[in-house]
Formats: sequence, C-alpha cells, structure tokens
Amino acid sequence: ETGVTQTPRHLVMGMTNKKSLKCEQHLGHNAMYWYKQSAKKPLELMFVYSLEERVENNSVPSRFSPECPNSSHLFLHLHTLQPEDSALYLCASSQDHPGIYGYTFGSGTRLTVV
Amino acid sequence: KQEVTQIPAALSVPEGENLVLNCSFTDSAIYNLQWFRQDPGKGLTSLLLIQSSQREQTSGRLNASLDKSSGRSTLYIAASQPGDSATYLCACPFLTQGGSEKLVFGKGTKLTVNP
Repeated sequence: ETGVTQTPRHLVMGMTNKKSLKCEQHLGHNAMYWYKQSAKKPLELMFVYSLEERVENNSVPSRFSPECPNSSHLFLHLHTLQPEDSALYLCASSQDHPGIYGYTFGSGTRLTVV
Repeated sequence: KQEVTQIPAALSVPEGENLVLNCSFTDSAIYNLQWFRQDPGKGLTSLLLIQSSQREQTSGRLNASLDKSSGRSTLYIAASQPGDSATYLCACPFLTQGGSEKLVFGKGTKLTVNP
C-alpha cells in the first residue's frame, strides 16, 4: 500500500443504489483530493479538501457528495448514478502546499454502474 | 489554463532498449512537475518530482528532465525491462480560480517492453 488506502477496490451498483467510497491516509497530510479516471480521458479533478474544508468543486454533479470528517479520512457518497459515471475513482493526499513533496495516490476504486 | 500533452500515446520496445517519453505543458509558470506510473486497473505510483529550480532528477534507471522555458519534460528509462510495462503519466500543478491547487495530467504513454 502507498500510504493512501481506498476501499472498496471494486464496486458494482445499480442506478438507484446509494453507496460510499472511502479513502484514508496516515501520512500526516492536510489536503485530500478525489479524481476520476474514465477510459481514454486524462484524470479529472473532482474535489479538493484542505484542512477538512472543501476548497474546490470542479463542476461535479450533485449525485456525487464528498465528506471529509477529519484530515485523515475522505468519503465520496454516491446516489442515483448513471452508467457514464463508471470509472476508476482515485483519492490523493498532499501537504497543503505540495510543491516540495508532491502528491500520493491510492489504488483506486473501480466503479461500475449498471 | 494548463494543458499537458504526452507523446507518444503508446510505445512498444524490446527488452534492454533505452527509451524516452515526452511531456509538454502550455503554462511554463509551474513550480514542479511529477511523473507517475500506473499499472492496469491500479492507482498511481509517484516516480519522480522535479522542482522548477531543478533541471533533472534521477531514481535508479529513471531520469527525468525539465525545461520550463520550452514547456517540456522527458522521462528517460535505461535498459528497459518487461516489468517497466505500464502507463506513464506526467502532471503539472495549476492554481484554480478558487486559489487551490490541482494537478493537470496528460493522457499518458502506454509502454510495453517485450521480452
């Protein structure tokens, strides 16, 4: 594991289901991120949390709802998703100014919406 | 707006060959650039982080260079091995209108090293 742990690794859900993705880091970082990776597209930033406060919502539909209860945990709550939301969802963490140490990513959750 | 381009999109080489992966970015006002490796269906593993004040960074058989003035970075892999087969991504930080930072990624180069 890289220091950033994501669960579950795989998730299949129906369009009417509600599920949550979890991310946990024990690196002492104070910023956490959700990225989406769809086939044939570059990674896209979804949300940024800095010191447990959401500082960026990159025009993400409301069917995705993030939660950051503390600096070590980040959730992505999912409800009424669409098949086009199927993708690899990656969590990352960094120091608030990652210029020196960069970013650390988790292994991702492979989401399939049926 | 920062845009990152990686060339080639895919590369297949025989084992033992030295190779270069290319990354270009449009906004040269970056303060670092990071190279990642991604195995199929997996997350990203950080390979090298180059600060804007540095020209290159080395880790084992990997060497990454950065030329801010031309908006380019290269990742050099020496004596390639089948285990190097993966997708290689470069990413630059970009300040959003909200003042937070985000990484802008290229689409990656898919490398296959044949035994």
